[in-house]
Amino acid sequence: ETGVTQTPRHLVMGMTNKKSLKCEQHLGHNAMYWYKQSAKKPLELMFVYNFKEQTENNSVPSRFSPECPNSSHLFLHLHTLQPEDSALYLCASSQGDPVDTEAFFGQGTRLTVV
Amino acid sequence: GQSLEQPSEVTAVEGAIVQINCTYQTSGFYGLSWYQQHDGGAPTFLSYNALDGLEETGRFSSFLSRSDSYGYLLLQELQMKDSASYFCAVRGTDSWGKLQFGAGTQVVVTP
Repeated sequence: ETGVTQTPRHLVMGMTNKKSLKCEQHLGHNAMYWYKQSAKKPLELMFVYNFKEQTENNSVPSRFSPECPNSSHLFLHLHTLQPEDSALYLCASSQGDPVDTEAFFGQGTRLTVV
Repeated sequence: GQSLEQPSEVTAVEGAIVQINCTYQTSGFYGLSWYQQHDGGAPTFLSYNALDGLEETGRFSSFLSRSDSYGYLLLQELQMKDSASYFCAVRGTDSWGKLQFGAGTQVVVTP
């Protein structure tokens, strides 16, 4: 257990569906992240929230919409996805200090778009 | 922007030593981290170097040379359970909170 919990662990959705991924951290951290991990590719940073404010949007398509209602929870809302969006979506958290050294990851949500 | 390069795969036998190199380009730099990820698992933190030199933690050591924009992870006395992907990551100063990862090195340990 890393202190970062993601639900669901697996998700299959059609291209016209709307779904949400949830991330919760119990570490008292101030920064939370969404990463996308596709096979044979680097972890791609999608969004960063520091103290509930979005500080990074790494040119992510608008069909992905993040929400951070408080420093412990992070959502990724999905709508009209494409098959190429199938991947492992990882949430992470860290202290949020510019020199903090360690990020803690959840187990990820394995997303399949059909 | 930031970019990191590391080898895609390394194979070694149990008991051997493996060195995974990482070169990076970043505008501003706080430090270099290493993460391990087993198949189906979450990345887990291994080490962090902010200053030049070698950091040792048990069988794993990490090295950084800021002047060369280069670091490595050294895995000693390899065990089967060390078969995993290893990622280097940098936190640059151009975007607060942004932790950027390399593509990962698949380490395969054989009997």
